[in-house]
Amino acid sequence: AQSVTQPDIHITVSEGASLELRCNYSYGATPYLFWYVQSPGQGLQLLLKYFSGDTLVQGIKGFEAEFKRSQSSFNLRKPSVHWSDAAEYFCAVAPFSSNTGKLIFGQGTTLQVKP
Amino acid sequence: ETGVTQTPRHLVMGMTNKKSLKCEQHLGHNAMYWYKQSAKKPLELMFVYSLEERVENNSVPSRFSPECPNSSHLFLHLHTLQPEDSALYLCASSQPGEGITEAFFGQGTRLTVV
Repeated sequence: AQSVTQPDIHITVSEGASLELRCNYSYGATPYLFWYVQSPGQGLQLLLKYFSGDTLVQGIKGFEAEFKRSQSSFNLRKPSVHWSDAAEYFCAVAPFSSNTGKLIFGQGTTLQVKP
Repeated sequence: ETGVTQTPRHLVMGMTNKKSLKCEQHLGHNAMYWYKQSAKKPLELMFVYSLEERVENNSVPSRFSPECPNSSHLFLHLHTLQPEDSALYLCASSQPGEGITEAFFGQGTRLTVV
């Protein structure tokens, strides 16, 4: 079965420090890959997406992610975290074979930023 | 203003009540979704509508009844819910097809069943 794993439930970093959130997926082919962010009480906002081509993708708010086929990973990174980045982050995949656009989500990583 | 609007934002209902959640998208998408977000659990896909037809129902109890009267509107009718149904219900839309696109989410309805 297709699945998405975010190994870190909770991460705390200091403001200004670098960040990497991990995401691994289980799927027979390369799916479409997404990172979303959710602030408290809000819906999900797309940070970035990967469909094909360059494996390093740039997103909004200074985030980037790198697709590594050999590791079935799509880790999210940011070189310098801001206090406003504190939120919950979700990795998601849309199976290539799906024509409905449904997403399969990981369980999320909560990011706390220390001043 | 978000392209996907959900109302109400908060809802408290008793187990014998009947209520409905509403979702409206202004993006011209042809697919709409209901997701359930419970504490400490991944987002769960509940229903998928494509071109106003239900194409997926992920073993959701019959006390949840979706309705998609047109491509811009999606409802989730609720009746005789249980306390464990308390969660954030998120609506999303997208335009799948050649070159799948991302889903756009509403801000959700926080449902509390008492």
